Amino acid sequence: AQSVTQPDIHITVSEGASLELRCNYSYGATPYLFWYVQSPGQGLQLLLKYFSGDTLVQGIKGFEAEFKRSQSSFNLRKPSVHWSDAAEYFCAVGGGGADGLTFGKGTHLIIQP
Amino acid sequence: DAGVTQSPTHLIKTRGQHVTLRCSPISGHKSVSWYQQVLGQGPQFIFQYYEKEERGRGNFPDRFSARQFPNYSSELNVNALLLGDSALYLCASSPDMGVVEKLFFGSGTQLSVL
Repeated sequence: AQSVTQPDIHITVSEGASLELRCNYSYGATPYLFWYVQSPGQGLQLLLKYFSGDTLVQGIKGFEAEFKRSQSSFNLRKPSVHWSDAAEYFCAVGGGGADGLTFGKGTHLIIQP
Repeated sequence: DAGVTQSPTHLIKTRGQHVTLRCSPISGHKSVSWYQQVLGQGPQFIFQYYEKEERGRGNFPDRFSARQFPNYSSELNVNALLLGDSALYLCASSPDMGVVEKLFFGSGTQLSVL
């Protein structure tokens, strides 16, 4: 069965500092990996996705993520956070087909001034 | 082009009642999926519909059902509501079944069961 673990429930970062959100997955085949962001009461906005090829993927809003097969990880990074980045971040895994995506429980990002 | 639209945005029901939520996919998208997001958790896959048939289902009881119409819009139905059904219900559409790389989410319907 596929699963996603986001070990950090909350992370606090100072504005302008760098950010890394961790994601570990379990999947039986080559996974499709995603990072989504969600503001309070809103739907999900896709930040970036990985399917194949270059293991470092660039997304919107200055985010990037690196796929490491040996570590079953897909960590999200941003070199300098802005106050507007405060939100809930979800990592997800899927393989296509009819089974949908499996999401982690999310990491709540707090930005300190 | 309009994105995935869901209605209503908020809904309050009491235990035991029935509820219907609606979703219109992006124009040209033929597959609709539903997800439940309980407060403080990530979304959980309920089911995927394609060509008016259920193609995949997560671990949800039979109280949860859906249908897809010829215009590819969809309704989610939940019978005999429980307090634990309170959640944000998200609809997502994609061009075809299983095309997760082109999956787009709506803003959701917030359901409160009292």
